[in-house]
Amino acid sequence: EPEVTQTPSHQVTQMGQEVILRCVPISNHLYFYWYRQILGQKVEFLVSFYNNEISEKSEIFDDQFSVERPDGSNFTLKIRSTKLEDSAMYFCASSLQGNYGYTFGSGTRLTVV
Amino acid sequence: GESVGLHLPTLSVQEGDNSIINCAYSNSASDYFIWYKQESGKGPQFIIDIRSNMDKRQGQRVTVLLNKTVKHLSLQIAATQPGDSAVYFCAENGAGANSKLTFGKGITLSVRP
Repeated sequence: EPEVTQTPSHQVTQMGQEVILRCVPISNHLYFYWYRQILGQKVEFLVSFYNNEISEKSEIFDDQFSVERPDGSNFTLKIRSTKLEDSAMYFCASSLQGNYGYTFGSGTRLTVV
Repeated sequence: GESVGLHLPTLSVQEGDNSIINCAYSNSASDYFIWYKQESGKGPQFIIDIRSNMDKRQGQRVTVLLNKTVKHLSLQIAATQPGDSAVYFCAENGAGANSKLTFGKGITLSVRP
């Protein structure tokens, strides 16, 4: 069964450093998403991406965040200057149709120290 | 604001019993609902979904019921097994392509042997 792959599985970074979280969506999917989950809380939407541009973003997704699909297979989330409160699980998801059939990756646990 | 929420934070059931997990949503424009299961350290795993033009959908050992009148969604798990122990989330998708998923807070299902 096709999977969404995320790397690394765990990233530890110092406050103020830049991090890039990587995702390989399912190959024929057209819609891409990032969500995050702070420990013990619900999954929160960050951003959606379609046709090489951001479709929608949440209030969480401020100027410190950016997304890219640099080579037609990877989908990355960059946090420019990490804060302690950025510590969370970050999930990538993709879908073929945009409103149906989402597949989530296993997540990257980001720990900011 | 619009939200999706769950009535109970935890649910403990005896192995072999049926489990019912409930969810309330407030966005009457949502037309697609999904139940996800999340095991420790993993991403949300699709269980079952339902569109707003249906009120019931059955899968293997799982049934989702949708009551649009009271904006209520439930997940029924028949003959609950230890492997069903996890956190369960309901999620809704607003109408239209590329709509983000809004997740509920999550309920922990604990299966007693």
